[in-house]
This record gives sequence, structure tokens and C-alpha cells, in this order.
Amino acid sequence: QSALTQPASVSGSPGQSIIISCTGTSSDIGGYNYVSWYQQHPGKAPKLMIYGVSNRPSGVSNRFSGSKSGNTASLTISGLQAEDESDYYCSSYTSSGTLYVFGTGTKVTVL
Amino acid sequence: QLQLQESGPGLVKPSETLSLACTVSGASMSSGSYYWVWIRQPPGKGLEWIGSVYYSGRTYYNPSLKSRVTISVDTSNNQFSLKLDSMTAADTAVYYCATLRVATIYFDYWGQGTLVTVSS
Repeated sequence: QSALTQPASVSGSPGQSIIISCTGTSSDIGGYNYVSWYQQHPGKAPKLMIYGVSNRPSGVSNRFSGSKSGNTASLTISGLQAEDESDYYCSSYTSSGTLYVFGTGTKVTVL
Repeated sequence: QLQLQESGPGLVKPSETLSLACTVSGASMSSGSYYWVWIRQPPGKGLEWIGSVYYSGRTYYNPSLKSRVTISVDTSNNQFSLKLDSMTAADTAVYYCATLRVATIYFDYWGQGTLVTVSS
């Protein structure tokens, strides 16, 4: 099972919106609504930002939203802030045998 | 608030076995709400699910590591453990313990992570 495909980097200016894509297959993203997104600052553990494709845990800003179309999931960050500069990983359940697969990771830069 | 803390050696010699423990506080491991999970991240690279254990002892392993991995749970001591045999330099990584929410399938609580380096 290969990792889910994410762009290596995405950048935006403060206040703008950015979208991070996460592409998989019908065995993972396309087949199940078990997509989650994680934010990871350098030297820190990942933090859950979105689960079940589009649900935000308590305490996560509503500037973060998730969606899915076919085999691709997306994380949108609206009103980009300096504190959003971080690495982001998607994850999905997969029926391929690995059970859980992560994305390749995206570095978000706030210009 | 559920908290997780990894413990174990930071340096392992090639061919040796890595043993890590994760201590759980703030929740009952027997509640049935979580799978107890190990995930690793090589320096500068992405995340890899190693395996999970349920409070009953039922385990699930990444097929790429299955021949070398053992995950066990000790609910009486609020701990679960990872053993990884035949360590090589490719196993150098930050090892995280985490929770996987049953039914809704997401990793919601994470330990701080522990860096394990494989070197002679």
C-alpha cells in the first residue's frame, strides 16, 4: 500500500485561503469516509484537525475544513495565519491490508 | 484528559530488539473506545502506522513490519508495549504511541514521541 499523495508544499499570504489535496484510491479515500487530517509543528507530535472527512474536534478553529470528492480529499485553511505554518498529513483507512495509510505530507508556508 | 507517555531506550544496536512502553493516564484502557497504536516517523519523513492492539489483546500489524513486530497490552498497569526485532538503520525514527478511536477511525491522542536511533 503506497502512501496517499499530497503536494510537497503549499503557500499563501495571511488572510488568504489555501487547499491541500490528498489523493488515494477506491480502496481508501474513495471507499470510506475515514479521512483525517493532522497538523505537525517541528519537533512536536501530530495534532488531529479533521476526522471523518469533514468533522472538526472540539477546540480546532473553524478556519479548518475538510471535504472529499471521489478518491481525493482536501483540507482548506481559510484566513491563513502565521501560526498555521506547519506540516500537514492526511490519513485514511484502507482495505488493502495496511489498514491505515498516511499521506506524504505538505509543508504550508505563510508568506 | 487522556495522556500518553512513551518510554524506552534512545539508542539500539543493529540486529537488537527495540522495546518501548506507553503509559496511559486519564482513561481506562478497558473502556473499549480505543485501539492502542504505535506510529513512527523517520527523520524528515512521513508517518507510518506500525500496529494496534485492543484491550482484549487482539492485534493488527502493518504487513511490511508484521514479521518483526509484537504489540501487547497490560490493562492492569495502564500500559501497552512495542517490540521490534532485528533493528536496522532504516528503523531509526521517532516512535509515537497514540489512540485510534473505534468506529470513527482517527488518531486523536498522541504521546510526545521518542527518538530511537539504531547505531553501533
